[in-house]
Amino acid sequence: DTEVTQTPKHLVMGMTNKKSLKCEQHMGHRAMYWYKQKAKKPPELMFVYSYEKLSINESVPSRFSPECPNSSLLNLHLHALQPEDSALYLCASSQDRTGSNQGNYGYTFGSGTRLTVV
Amino acid sequence: GENVEQHPSTLSVQEGDSAVIKCTYSDSASNYFPWYKQELGKRPQLIIDIRSNVGEKKDQRIAVTLNKTAKHFSLHITETQPEDSAVYFCAASRNTGGFKTIFGAGTRLFVKA
Repeated sequence: DTEVTQTPKHLVMGMTNKKSLKCEQHMGHRAMYWYKQKAKKPPELMFVYSYEKLSINESVPSRFSPECPNSSLLNLHLHALQPEDSALYLCASSQDRTGSNQGNYGYTFGSGTRLTVV
Repeated sequence: GENVEQHPSTLSVQEGDSAVIKCTYSDSASNYFPWYKQELGKRPQLIIDIRSNVGEKKDQRIAVTLNKTAKHFSLHITETQPEDSAVYFCAASRNTGGFKTIFGAGTRLFVKA
């Protein structure tokens, strides 16, 4: 399996709703990421998990709450979002060889969840 | 802070011509430089990458060059085809936990048949 699977593909939620985005990979990658992408813009890093521990939080508002239950799963819990949070949310994974001389590796992205906040 | 600049923002070429996209990075500790292709409505996909200990890498019609001294790297696509039309993102990252990757703003490539 060489894919990252994201669900749901589309989500419409109200500003008072609570919802979760899910991401799954079975490539044995130990680094997983959440990115936000607005139209015609590059992906913007939100969170990085390395070996199931949160290693980077790019000052994301607390209405976004990540969770990594195990090495294959990554969730993003959403609560009290604003219309400007509407975007494509991309999950990605990569091998993690921190501290090794093998360097970094490229990402495998999921297809994303297109989120609309109304 | 870390920054990756990418030029041009839009590039239009005739089928069969070459296309070149250029990027510069600010973080001298960056040691890995991937390129992603994103077709309309689809996920970004890794097409080629280069590490800081290499100056050039080629994969069929795609090549990437890196000048560490100048902090420049470039993507070269030869014999372009209509299916090469997409947005291309360069990126730079360093070998820290979780590998934070900084993306360029993207280049929208149009290949006219």
